[in-house]
Amino acid sequence: QKEVEQDPGPLSVPEGAIVSLNCTYSNSAFQYFMWYRQYSRKGPELLMYTYSSGNKEDGRFTAQVDKSSKYISLFIRDSQPSDSATYLCAMKETGTYKYIFGTGTRLKVLA
Amino acid sequence: ETGVTQSPTHLIKTRGQQVTLRCSSQSGHNTVSWYQQALGQGPQFIFQYYREEENGRGNFPPRFSGLQFPNYSSELNVNALELDDSALYLCASSRGGAGASVGEQFFGPGTRLTVL
Repeated sequence: QKEVEQDPGPLSVPEGAIVSLNCTYSNSAFQYFMWYRQYSRKGPELLMYTYSSGNKEDGRFTAQVDKSSKYISLFIRDSQPSDSATYLCAMKETGTYKYIFGTGTRLKVLA
Repeated sequence: ETGVTQSPTHLIKTRGQQVTLRCSSQSGHNTVSWYQQALGQGPQFIFQYYREEENGRGNFPPRFSGLQFPNYSSELNVNALELDDSALYLCASSRGGAGASVGEQFFGPGTRLTVL
């Protein structure tokens, strides 16, 4: 079993839809959680950074962390064709150097 | 504020050759991590450098080595290239301390290495 599991998709939604992207993990010591967006053949771009549990909102993006279920989510409201990309989750333990990434979910927002 | 930069953008090498990839960290960041991203996969941690020393290493053989310089820029060296080394190599910078990185981690655009 991988430490971080992420459905690879592709996930296709119509423009304007609310998108829900998710990751599950097995290591209960993970405390730092990040979401990245990666366009084809480009480096990942940091979208959201969360410590421990709870919600965080930034514009159209909301990140949720449920440590009791070992489950994190990224919601995208009013999705746009420009949101079409691969979304990667990443997480790490306190006091360690290594971020563990999911395989990424490919999202397509159809105009 | 200057972001993370990497060079070269693309590189083609043949099996058995050696390659050096370069990274300049974001202003104010003292820690550099290197990742390998195969097509369709998430980034895999290679190693991290803090204060010019290797701070931690993933499951990569010793032919993957690195350096960090006093200005916090870094190099990734790969010897005896194999076909499976073909991937996007990503550099990420962050603020860190010994044994840990803190705060957000920002990536550069990557170097795409093709081994023939």
